[in-house]
Amino acid sequence: NAGVTQTPKFQVLKTGQSMTLQCAQDMNHEYMSWYRQDPGMGLRLIHYSVGAGITDQGEVPNGYNVSRSTTEDFPLRLLSAAPSQTSVYFCASSSKGRGNIQYFGAGTRLSVL
Amino acid sequence: EDQVTQSPEALRLQEGESSSLNCSYTVSGLRGLFWYRQDPGKGPEFLFTLYSAGEEKEKERLKATLTKKESFLHITAPKPEDSATYLCAVQARDGQNFVFGPGTRLSVLP
Repeated sequence: NAGVTQTPKFQVLKTGQSMTLQCAQDMNHEYMSWYRQDPGMGLRLIHYSVGAGITDQGEVPNGYNVSRSTTEDFPLRLLSAAPSQTSVYFCASSSKGRGNIQYFGAGTRLSVL
Repeated sequence: EDQVTQSPEALRLQEGESSSLNCSYTVSGLRGLFWYRQDPGKGPEFLFTLYSAGEEKEKERLKATLTKKESFLHITAPKPEDSATYLCAVQARDGQNFVFGPGTRLSVLP
């Protein structure tokens, strides 16, 4: 049971480039979310999804796009990378039937130059 | 607006020296308060969920307690392997999302 898998683990981008961070879960969880973690600020919610075909914005959505075509996958797209998006990104999934406990991936460390 | 603060920001303990971490929260109706442990370079790992004031949960050297405004994570006789960042999060009753605190970075020295 792999849990939540994120790729890539590390990425360096130049300002203005675009990329997609991948997230997949094999637990059949209905809820998936993306966070960014910056020093001293904890985890901040970027976008979330309560099921396939349904997404919504979190606290810091600007500059990011998501889609949820399947239960398993929830990719995060950076449209035009900016240095302010340098951060560690975590994907998480959870289910009401499992007490809403969030399971996290190992993270993607992104640097935008 | 739901908010979570944690104190102290960092804590250094000697092995065996017990202490407590604090999580203060404001939420429009609490569905659950969650504690996570995060090791460097890894994603957070679930420890406990607390649902109502007065509830307590224990796991090895850790005990979590909950009041209407805060939660404590008590660490009894810690060991160096307990060194990590401890995160607190709340989930409101009327929503699905979680609000995280900034975390407490715990170092246990041998």
